[in-house]
Amino acid sequence: QKEVEQDPGPLSVPEGAIVSLNCTYSNSAFQYFMWYRQYSRKGPELLMYTYSSGNKEDGRFTAQVDNSSKYISLFIRDSQPSDSATYLCAMLMDSSYKLIFGSGTRLLVRP
Amino acid sequence: GAGVSQTPSNKVTEKGKYVELRCDPISGHTALYWYRQSLGQGPEFLIYFQGTGAADDSGLPNDRFFAVRPEGSVSTLKIQRTERGDSAVYLCASSSGTLSYNEQFFGPGTRLTVL
Repeated sequence: QKEVEQDPGPLSVPEGAIVSLNCTYSNSAFQYFMWYRQYSRKGPELLMYTYSSGNKEDGRFTAQVDNSSKYISLFIRDSQPSDSATYLCAMLMDSSYKLIFGSGTRLLVRP
Repeated sequence: GAGVSQTPSNKVTEKGKYVELRCDPISGHTALYWYRQSLGQGPEFLIYFQGTGAADDSGLPNDRFFAVRPEGSVSTLKIQRTERGDSAVYLCASSSGTLSYNEQFFGPGTRLTVL
């Protein structure tokens, strides 16, 4: 079993829809939870990170961490075609530097 | 400012050949990481440098893989006797430190294809 599980998609939604992306994890030592966006043939770009549990909002993006369920989510409101990309969740243990990534979810926002 | 750069962007080689992949980190970043991303997968950690020394090479798959960072800036990932299974995108990242959480900034990657 992988430490971080993520549905590969693809997820196809119409422009303006609310998108929900999710990951589950098995290692309770993870303390930092990140979401990266990766466009085709580009490197991952950090969107949001959350320490420990709770919610964090940044513009159209909201990240949620539920430690009890070992489940994290990224919500995208008012999705745009430019949001079409692969979204990778990643996690870190405290005092570590080794990012542990999910396999990524491909998102397509249709105009 | 300039981000992390990697060269070449694409490398096609034949099985058994030797390849070198180069990473130029963000200026001033002391920490440098290499990850490997296979098709349809997330990046997997290979090696971490703090300054000139490899502080953690636990992710290197075998002794055909080696990386250096002789002056604490540019790093080269070297792969000997390449195999078809080495085909992947090799990503480099850098950060200003590793205390608590320091954002790792990724380069665009080198796409390696072993025929």
